[in-house]
Amino acid sequence: DQQVKQNSPSLSVQEGRISILNCDYTNSMFDYFLWYKKYPAEGPTFLISISSIKDKNEDGRFTVFLNKSAKHLSLHIVPSQPGDSAVYFCAGNGGTSYGKLTFGQGTILTVHP
Amino acid sequence: NAGVTQTPKFRILKIGQSMTLQCTQDMNHNYMYWYRQDPGMGLKLIYYSVGAGITDKGEVPNGYNVSRSTTEDFPLRLELAAPSQTSVYFCASTNRGYRETQYFGPGTRLLVL
Repeated sequence: DQQVKQNSPSLSVQEGRISILNCDYTNSMFDYFLWYKKYPAEGPTFLISISSIKDKNEDGRFTVFLNKSAKHLSLHIVPSQPGDSAVYFCAGNGGTSYGKLTFGQGTILTVHP
Repeated sequence: NAGVTQTPKFRILKIGQSMTLQCTQDMNHNYMYWYRQDPGMGLKLIYYSVGAGITDKGEVPNGYNVSRSTTEDFPLRLELAAPSQTSVYFCASTNRGYRETQYFGPGTRLLVL
Protein backbone atom coordinates (compact mmCIF):
# COMPACT_ATOMS: atom_id res chain seq x y z
CA ASP A 1 0.00 0.00 0.00
CA GLN A 2 1.76 3.10 -1.26
CA GLN A 3 0.61 5.96 0.92
CA VAL A 4 2.55 8.64 -0.94
CA LYS A 5 2.73 8.59 -4.72
CA GLN A 6 4.67 10.67 -7.19
CA ASN A 7 3.18 9.54 -10.48
CA SER A 8 5.65 11.28 -12.77
CA PRO A 9 9.01 9.47 -12.72
CA SER A 10 10.64 12.32 -14.63
CA LEU A 11 10.14 15.91 -15.74
CA SER A 12 12.12 17.94 -18.25
CA VAL A 13 11.97 21.75 -18.21
CA GLN A 14 13.73 24.61 -19.96
CA GLU A 15 15.84 26.96 -17.85
CA GLY A 16 13.83 29.96 -16.69
CA ARG A 17 10.47 28.20 -16.96
CA ILE A 18 8.33 26.82 -14.15
CA SER A 19 8.78 23.27 -12.84
CA ILE A 20 5.75 21.66 -11.21
CA LEU A 21 6.22 18.44 -9.30
CA ASN A 22 3.18 16.60 -7.99
CA CYS A 23 2.50 14.29 -5.08
CA ASP A 24 -0.64 12.45 -3.91
CA TYR A 25 -1.23 10.82 -0.55
CA THR A 26 -3.84 8.50 0.91
CA ASN A 27 -3.15 8.55 4.66
CA SER A 28 -5.52 11.01 6.38
CA MET A 29 -3.24 11.03 9.43
CA PHE A 30 -0.55 12.96 7.55
CA ASP A 31 -0.58 16.58 8.69
CA TYR A 32 2.90 17.71 7.78
CA PHE A 33 4.61 17.37 4.43
CA LEU A 34 8.20 17.86 3.33
CA TRP A 35 10.02 18.04 0.02
CA TYR A 36 13.58 16.79 -0.23
CA LYS A 37 16.05 17.19 -3.06
CA LYS A 38 18.66 14.54 -3.80
CA TYR A 39 21.74 14.68 -5.98
CA PRO A 40 23.45 11.44 -7.09
CA ALA A 41 25.66 9.84 -4.42
CA GLU A 42 24.43 12.29 -1.76
CA GLY A 43 21.82 12.13 0.96
CA PRO A 44 18.45 13.90 0.64
CA THR A 45 18.53 17.56 1.63
CA PHE A 46 15.52 19.38 3.00
CA LEU A 47 13.89 21.88 0.67
CA ILE A 48 10.56 23.09 2.03
CA SER A 49 7.70 21.91 4.22
CA ILE A 50 4.04 22.66 4.81
CA SER A 51 1.67 22.06 7.68
CA SER A 52 -1.88 20.91 7.01
CA ILE A 53 -3.23 24.12 8.54
CA LYS A 54 -1.82 26.00 5.54
CA ASP A 55 -2.47 25.66 1.84
CA LYS A 56 0.68 27.39 0.64
CA ASN A 57 4.23 27.93 1.81
CA GLU A 58 6.85 29.90 -0.07
CA ASP A 59 10.63 30.08 0.22
CA GLY A 60 12.40 32.02 -2.49
CA ARG A 61 11.96 30.25 -5.81
CA PHE A 62 10.16 27.31 -4.17
CA THR A 63 6.46 27.20 -3.33
CA VAL A 64 4.53 24.21 -2.03
CA PHE A 65 0.74 24.02 -2.39
CA LEU A 66 -1.45 21.68 -0.38
CA ASN A 67 -4.99 20.65 -1.36
CA LYS A 68 -6.26 18.63 1.59
CA SER A 69 -9.60 17.71 0.09
CA ALA A 70 -7.85 16.20 -2.93
CA LYS A 71 -4.97 14.83 -0.81
CA HIS A 72 -2.59 16.44 -3.26
CA LEU A 73 0.46 18.63 -2.98
CA SER A 74 2.69 20.23 -5.53
CA LEU A 75 6.08 21.90 -5.60
CA HIS A 76 6.59 24.87 -7.92
CA ILE A 77 10.08 26.05 -8.84
CA VAL A 78 10.21 29.44 -10.54
CA PRO A 79 12.42 30.18 -12.37
CA SER A 80 14.01 26.77 -12.87
CA GLN A 81 17.80 26.62 -13.02
CA PRO A 82 20.16 23.88 -14.28
CA GLY A 83 21.39 23.40 -10.70
CA ASP A 84 17.85 22.32 -9.75
CA SER A 85 18.35 19.10 -11.74
CA ALA A 86 18.00 16.36 -9.12
CA VAL A 87 15.56 13.79 -7.74
CA TYR A 88 12.74 15.33 -5.70
CA PHE A 89 10.97 13.36 -3.00
CA CYS A 90 7.83 14.33 -1.17
CA ALA A 91 7.20 12.85 2.26
CA GLY A 92 4.27 12.73 4.65
CA ASN A 93 4.54 12.94 8.43
CA GLY A 94 1.81 12.19 10.95
CA GLY A 95 0.07 9.47 12.89
CA THR A 96 3.16 8.49 14.87
CA SER A 97 4.91 10.17 17.76
CA TYR A 98 8.38 9.33 16.52
CA GLY A 99 8.27 11.30 13.30
CA LYS A 100 8.26 8.53 10.70
CA LEU A 101 8.44 9.94 7.19
CA THR A 102 6.63 8.11 4.39
CA PHE A 103 8.27 8.88 1.06
CA GLY A 104 7.08 8.92 -2.51
CA GLN A 105 9.14 7.24 -5.23
CA GLY A 106 10.72 10.46 -6.39
CA THR A 107 10.64 12.54 -9.58
CA ILE A 108 13.78 13.16 -11.63
CA LEU A 109 13.85 16.82 -12.66
CA THR A 110 16.10 17.85 -15.54
CA VAL A 111 16.45 21.55 -16.29
CA HIS A 112 17.97 22.22 -19.71
CA PRO A 113 20.05 25.38 -20.30
CA ASN B 1 29.53 21.03 12.57
CA ALA B 2 29.58 17.94 10.32
CA GLY B 3 25.87 17.07 10.68
CA VAL B 4 25.18 13.38 10.02
CA THR B 5 28.11 11.25 8.90
CA GLN B 6 28.03 7.66 7.65
CA THR B 7 30.74 5.09 7.03
CA PRO B 8 31.59 3.30 4.86
CA LYS B 9 30.49 5.00 1.63
CA PHE B 10 30.44 1.74 -0.30
CA ARG B 11 30.84 -1.92 0.56
CA ILE B 12 30.57 -5.25 -1.21
CA LEU B 13 29.54 -8.20 0.95
CA LYS B 14 29.28 -11.88 0.20
CA ILE B 15 26.05 -13.70 1.05
CA GLY B 16 26.10 -14.72 4.70
CA GLN B 17 28.65 -12.13 5.81
CA SER B 18 27.91 -9.55 8.48
CA MET B 19 28.74 -5.89 8.80
CA THR B 20 27.93 -2.76 10.74
CA LEU B 21 26.99 0.52 9.08
CA GLN B 22 28.08 3.45 11.21
CA CYS B 23 26.11 6.66 11.75
CA THR B 24 27.11 9.63 13.88
CA GLN B 25 25.46 13.02 14.36
CA ASP B 26 26.91 16.04 16.14
CA MET B 27 23.71 18.08 16.48
CA ASN B 28 22.68 16.56 19.84
CA HIS B 29 19.50 15.22 18.25
CA ASN B 30 17.38 12.79 20.22
CA TYR B 31 15.73 11.03 17.29
CA MET B 32 17.67 8.95 14.80
CA TYR B 33 16.49 6.82 11.90
CA TRP B 34 17.74 4.27 9.40
CA TYR B 35 16.17 4.17 5.94
CA ARG B 36 16.92 2.11 2.87
CA GLN B 37 16.33 3.18 -0.70
CA ASP B 38 15.93 0.65 -3.47
CA PRO B 39 16.17 1.71 -7.14
CA GLY B 40 13.12 3.67 -8.31
CA MET B 41 11.60 3.60 -4.86
CA GLY B 42 11.20 5.98 -1.99
CA LEU B 43 13.04 5.61 1.30
CA LYS B 44 11.65 3.04 3.74
CA LEU B 45 12.18 3.13 7.49
CA ILE B 46 14.16 0.21 8.94
CA TYR B 47 14.63 1.19 12.60
CA TYR B 48 14.43 4.31 14.68
CA SER B 49 15.53 5.55 18.10
CA VAL B 50 14.02 8.23 20.31
CA GLY B 51 17.03 8.47 22.60
CA ALA B 52 19.98 6.57 24.01
CA GLY B 53 18.92 3.06 24.98
CA ILE B 54 15.56 3.23 23.18
CA THR B 55 15.06 1.70 19.74
CA ASP B 56 12.14 0.27 17.82
CA LYS B 57 11.28 -1.35 14.50
CA GLY B 58 10.17 0.57 11.46
CA GLU B 59 8.56 -0.67 8.28
CA VAL B 60 11.23 -3.14 7.05
CA PRO B 61 13.30 -4.36 10.06
CA ASN B 62 13.89 -8.01 9.09
CA GLY B 63 17.56 -8.92 8.75
CA TYR B 64 18.78 -5.87 10.69
CA ASN B 65 19.58 -4.90 14.26
CA VAL B 66 20.39 -1.60 15.92
CA SER B 67 21.68 -0.26 19.20
CA ARG B 68 21.92 3.24 20.65
CA SER B 69 24.33 3.53 23.55
CA THR B 70 25.05 7.24 23.07
CA THR B 71 23.13 10.23 21.74
CA GLU B 72 25.60 10.61 18.86
CA ASP B 73 25.84 7.08 17.44
CA PHE B 74 23.25 4.78 15.89
CA PRO B 75 24.91 1.79 14.18
CA LEU B 76 22.95 -0.60 11.95
CA ARG B 77 23.99 -4.25 12.01
CA LEU B 78 23.40 -6.66 9.13
CA GLU B 79 23.66 -10.30 10.11
CA LEU B 80 23.81 -12.98 7.39
CA ALA B 81 23.69 -10.61 4.42
CA ALA B 82 21.30 -11.52 1.60
CA PRO B 83 21.04 -10.16 -1.98
CA SER B 84 17.71 -8.53 -1.01
CA GLN B 85 19.71 -6.22 1.28
CA THR B 86 21.50 -4.67 -1.70
CA SER B 87 20.43 -1.06 -1.34
CA VAL B 88 21.50 2.43 -0.35
CA TYR B 89 21.22 3.07 3.37
CA PHE B 90 20.60 6.50 4.83
CA CYS B 91 20.80 7.58 8.43
CA ALA B 92 18.85 10.66 9.58
CA SER B 93 18.34 12.62 12.77
CA THR B 94 16.02 15.24 14.19
CA ASN B 95 15.50 16.91 17.53
CA ARG B 96 11.90 16.30 18.51
CA GLY B 97 10.65 13.80 15.93
CA TYR B 98 7.17 14.73 14.84
CA ARG B 99 6.72 17.72 12.50
CA GLU B 100 10.40 18.33 12.26
CA THR B 101 12.89 18.29 9.44
CA GLN B 102 15.02 15.18 9.35
CA TYR B 103 18.66 15.69 8.38
CA PHE B 104 20.22 12.94 6.32
CA GLY B 105 23.71 11.54 6.00
CA PRO B 106 25.37 10.94 2.61
CA GLY B 107 24.43 7.26 2.51
CA THR B 108 26.15 3.88 2.36
CA ARG B 109 25.85 1.89 -0.86
CA LEU B 110 25.81 -1.84 -0.13
CA LEU B 111 26.09 -4.61 -2.68
CA VAL B 112 25.52 -8.21 -1.58
CA LEU B 113 26.78 -10.84 -4.01
